[in-house]
Amino acid sequence: DAGVTQSPTHLIKTRGQQVTLRCSPKSGHDTVSWYQQALGQGPQFIFQYYEEEERQRGNFPDRFSGHQFPNYSSELNVNALLLGDSALYLCASSLTTGEAFFGQGTRLTVV
Amino acid sequence: AQSVTQPDIHITVSEGASLELRCNYSYGATPYLFWYVQSPGQGLQLLLKYFSGDTLVQGIKGFEAEFKRSQSSFNLRKPSVHWSDAAEYFCAVAFDGSYKLIFGSGTRLLVRP
Repeated sequence: DAGVTQSPTHLIKTRGQQVTLRCSPKSGHDTVSWYQQALGQGPQFIFQYYEEEERQRGNFPDRFSGHQFPNYSSELNVNALLLGDSALYLCASSLTTGEAFFGQGTRLTVV
Repeated sequence: AQSVTQPDIHITVSEGASLELRCNYSYGATPYLFWYVQSPGQGLQLLLKYFSGDTLVQGIKGFEAEFKRSQSSFNLRKPSVHWSDAAEYFCAVAFDGSYKLIFGSGTRLLVRP
């Protein structure tokens, strides 16, 4: 079992650009959550997807959007990137409300 | 607002010494409680969790935590720290009816040889 896999591991974008991050959940898991972890901070909940729909959302602007595919994998899209969007983006998968398993994260740097 | 507090930003202990990391959460009914560990540049690994039942829970790597409802606390302990335990530790809470984890700001553990 490969666990939760995220791609890419690192990327650099310019302000105003758009970015797409990808996540494959742990085998058998049907729920994917995304978190943003700024340097020196704890992760902040962005949103959760279940059955291809956004089930709950944190305090993030509409520039942050997502998608879940029939195979439960997920994408996080961020539009109009700001310098403040630089962070480690973590994907977590779970079985509905079970414990969350985290991927290694994608380090996004906005310049 | 619901929140999690980890009052210690850094803790330094000697290898072989005991460890206690503190975690307090704001009032909320039926909390689900977690401790995660994060090594530099890595994702989060679950150490242990509390959903209900016995308030003293055992986790991986020799860690344990005790839930005290009256103090709204879920402190993490280890009787003898190893150099490999040096990492960032996060306490997290999920409140009944919510699917999101609320994390504390973390405690960085340094281990002296």
